[in-house]
Amino acid sequence: DQQVKQNSPSLSVQEGRISILNCDYTNSMFDYFLWYKKYPAEGPTFLISISSIKDKNEDGRFTVFLNKSAKHLSLHIVPSQPGDSAVYFCAASGGQGAQKLVFGQGTRLTINP
Amino acid sequence: DAGVIQSPRHEVTEMGQEVTLRCKPISGHNSLFWYRQTMMRGLELLIYFNNNVPIDDSGMPEDRFSAKMPNASFSTLKIQPSEPRDSAVYFCASSRVLQGIGYNEQFFGPGTRLTVL
Repeated sequence: DQQVKQNSPSLSVQEGRISILNCDYTNSMFDYFLWYKKYPAEGPTFLISISSIKDKNEDGRFTVFLNKSAKHLSLHIVPSQPGDSAVYFCAASGGQGAQKLVFGQGTRLTINP
Repeated sequence: DAGVIQSPRHEVTEMGQEVTLRCKPISGHNSLFWYRQTMMRGLELLIYFNNNVPIDDSGMPEDRFSAKMPNASFSTLKIQPSEPRDSAVYFCASSRVLQGIGYNEQFFGPGTRLTVL
């Protein structure tokens, strides 16, 4: 039973355009959501997070949107740059296991010049 | 500052052998997490420690897996005996848990790629 789902295994975007990565979750106890970025042969690195009390959090070119009623979050990258090419993981935590992160399967983003 | 350190980076072993993966968390962090990444199951939490004490090991696949944290700066994940299906990338992560705050960012090491032949 996958509680965090990233339905798009891959996404290809032209440099300078907007990249939108999507994530759905099923556990209503989740109250904190994160995006991690992973390059090959490296560990995931934290990118941006959002608490369930907010519906938007912005950090430079990165914005995360949360729709609690739909149990859906998305990561927007504007403008997309070649260095953004990586695998992006959505993760969630909350409830009794607040320290535990449940990860999605990841989406491989490729930015084309 | 040094990040999370894992060793070895790559391990190739034969089925039935014992494998020990090592992790040094970031200094000052009091929580440590072991994850496994596979194509089939993605990134899954195996076990985590708070202040060197195992809190949740529900993700440990079976008794062949064990983890220890003898002090705040060192943890091991052991597989005995190893099987080909254990082949995966194993990540260690650490965080600093502040009292009263439910969640803190986890910092990941570079991972150990384990291949069991």
